[in-house]
Amino acid sequence: EAGVTQSPTHLIKTRGQQATLRCSPISGHTSVYWYQQALGLGLQFLLWYDEGEERNRGNFPPRFSGRQFPNYSSELNVNALELEDSALYLCASSLTQGATGELFFGEGSRLTVL
Amino acid sequence: GQSLEQPSEVTAVEGAIVQINCTYQTSGFYGLSWYQQHDGGAPTFLSYNALDGLEETGRFSSFLSRSDSYGYLLLQELQMKDSASYFCAVPNQGGKLIFGQGTELSVKP
Repeated sequence: EAGVTQSPTHLIKTRGQQATLRCSPISGHTSVYWYQQALGLGLQFLLWYDEGEERNRGNFPPRFSGRQFPNYSSELNVNALELEDSALYLCASSLTQGATGELFFGEGSRLTVL
Repeated sequence: GQSLEQPSEVTAVEGAIVQINCTYQTSGFYGLSWYQQHDGGAPTFLSYNALDGLEETGRFSSFLSRSDSYGYLLLQELQMKDSASYFCAVPNQGGKLIFGQGTELSVKP
């Protein structure tokens, strides 16, 4: 069974540009979570999608947005990129709604903003 | 709000036992999870405690005391491959999993 897959693995952008990151959850998982992990720091919650709806978002500006498609895959968009957006962006999926169970993470997309 | 505190780094030698503590403050408690992350890769789930007590899974054990808002991860018979970052995490009412800042474990020969 395939795990959570993310693309691209690496992405280099310049300030002001937009970045789009993609995530495919484990088959059968309807919940998708996005986290930001700056170098050497913990995971900061960005967004949670379930059944195509945004269920919760973290303390990030509106230029961080996303969506979940009918096949439960998800996309994270970051507009007007700033230098501090450079980080590893991790996607996770779960079988149960609400993160009380195990989250399965992808390897992440490393975004570098120059 | 919610916050979790854990030591930033711990060092131990191969074959030893190490304990990584985590204290939390939450509005509503649903359980305490532990995750392992090697070199910025995918975090992997280790354990989940919803009730007080010790849960054992091979060399790893996790403990929870809800009255003390405290838990720990115990790693026995340390191996070099256990060198990684370890995160405690709690789910909140909004369904998101809140992570601590992580403890970097270095296992020395």
